[in-house]
Amino acid sequence: GAVVSQHPSRVICKSGTSVKIECRSLDFQATTMFWYRQFPKQSLMLMATSNEGSKATYEQGVEKDKFLINHASLTLSTLTVTSAHPEDSSFYICSASGVAGYQETQYFGPGTRLLVL
Amino acid sequence: EDQVTQSPEALRLQEGESSSLNCSYTVSGLRGLFWYRQDPGKGPEFLFTLYSAGEEKEKERLKATLTKKESFLHITAPKPEDSATYLCAVPNSGGSNYKLTFGKGTLLTVNP
Repeated sequence: GAVVSQHPSRVICKSGTSVKIECRSLDFQATTMFWYRQFPKQSLMLMATSNEGSKATYEQGVEKDKFLINHASLTLSTLTVTSAHPEDSSFYICSASGVAGYQETQYFGPGTRLLVL
Repeated sequence: EDQVTQSPEALRLQEGESSSLNCSYTVSGLRGLFWYRQDPGKGPEFLFTLYSAGEEKEKERLKATLTKKESFLHITAPKPEDSATYLCAVPNSGGSNYKLTFGKGTLLTVNP
């Protein structure tokens, strides 16, 4: 149980284009979803937190107009990287919490590798 | 400010050589401590949650323990497939969204 999926697993795009990454909780309703970014050999960096039906809360230094987050349902959140540039290339990971009785536990997706050329 | 420190940064073991990873934390009111395993190029995999000092949890060759200041992840007779980065995290003090503060992780390599 507590499975989180991400799509796509890997994406290559041209500079200036937008990329959308989907995060789904497959077997539970995710009251909260989180988006992280991870650079090589570094720990996870939280970008934003989103609750279903509410605007996302972004961490300091994360551009909300650059990284658009939508949490339209209890099982789906999307991250759109707008006007992507090579410096946005990274490993993006989502997580979801909300399993009954374990509200504080985050379950992570497999991650999306983004390469901007 | 919540802090999580993991040691060592890297650990090399021979297959069958038991050892422990450490996670020291500073939080105002612990609301749980989490252990995750992360393989290269993948998202973290949930292992354990510990809530109170003295609590222990086991899964195969792994056992996690918790005191008021630190947690240990004991690995008994490790196998090469146990090689991964092990992350420790605590929920931020206050707030209702349970944002996690992560340690930098311990990279475990188990040689056959």
